[in-house]
Amino acid sequence: EAGVVQSPRYKIIEKKQPVAFWCNPISGHNTLYWYLQNLGQGPELLIRYENEEAVDDSQLPKDRFSAERLKGVDSTLKIQPAELGDSAVYLCASSRRPRGSKQTNTEAFFGQGTRLTVV
Amino acid sequence: GESVGLHLPTLSVQEGDNSIINCAYSNSASDYFIWYKQESGKGPQFIIDIRSNMDKRQGQRVTVLLNKTVKHLSLQIAATQPGDSAVYFCAENLYDDKIIFGKGTRLHILP
Repeated sequence: EAGVVQSPRYKIIEKKQPVAFWCNPISGHNTLYWYLQNLGQGPELLIRYENEEAVDDSQLPKDRFSAERLKGVDSTLKIQPAELGDSAVYLCASSRRPRGSKQTNTEAFFGQGTRLTVV
Repeated sequence: GESVGLHLPTLSVQEGDNSIINCAYSNSASDYFIWYKQESGKGPQFIIDIRSNMDKRQGQRVTVLLNKTVKHLSLQIAATQPGDSAVYFCAENLYDDKIIFGKGTRLHILP
């Protein structure tokens, strides 16, 4: 089974430029997460999708960050314009919870991340 | 506040010895906890999980202990190997699959 696939692996851009990251979750996984990870820190949740609905975007800086998950499968995360402080690794993860289930406790699988450097 | 933290940023262990990585969490309502391993340049990898109705769970060479009274979680790795070198994160599931990570502990294996 293929894991979570992210692209690109690395991206270097100048500040004020836009950038986009793409994520393909594990087939059948209805929950998708975007995390930001700074060097030496744990991942911080940016946004969480249940199918195509963003159910938790409280940590997403909406003035410059946006995300979408059309058709409830692949997702893109965009930053426009990028700032120097956005340099970090952006991780995508997915998990599966049966529709209509209130069960939590679902393991999330992570992609390798996109390392963004803003210069 | 809502946070999951680790007591030590770095742990050095002799190869073959057991490793114990600790974690303190602050949200007593969390019902599910996960340990992840992250190697350089890779995303976090699931190691083992435990639900709040348990106090111990064992996997292959790993054991997770949960003490809800003092809100403490630990990961024990038996017979530590060079391949265990990584950063280890504990994470808690606050609710509805909202997974929050701690800062991580880097495990160094000494030859």
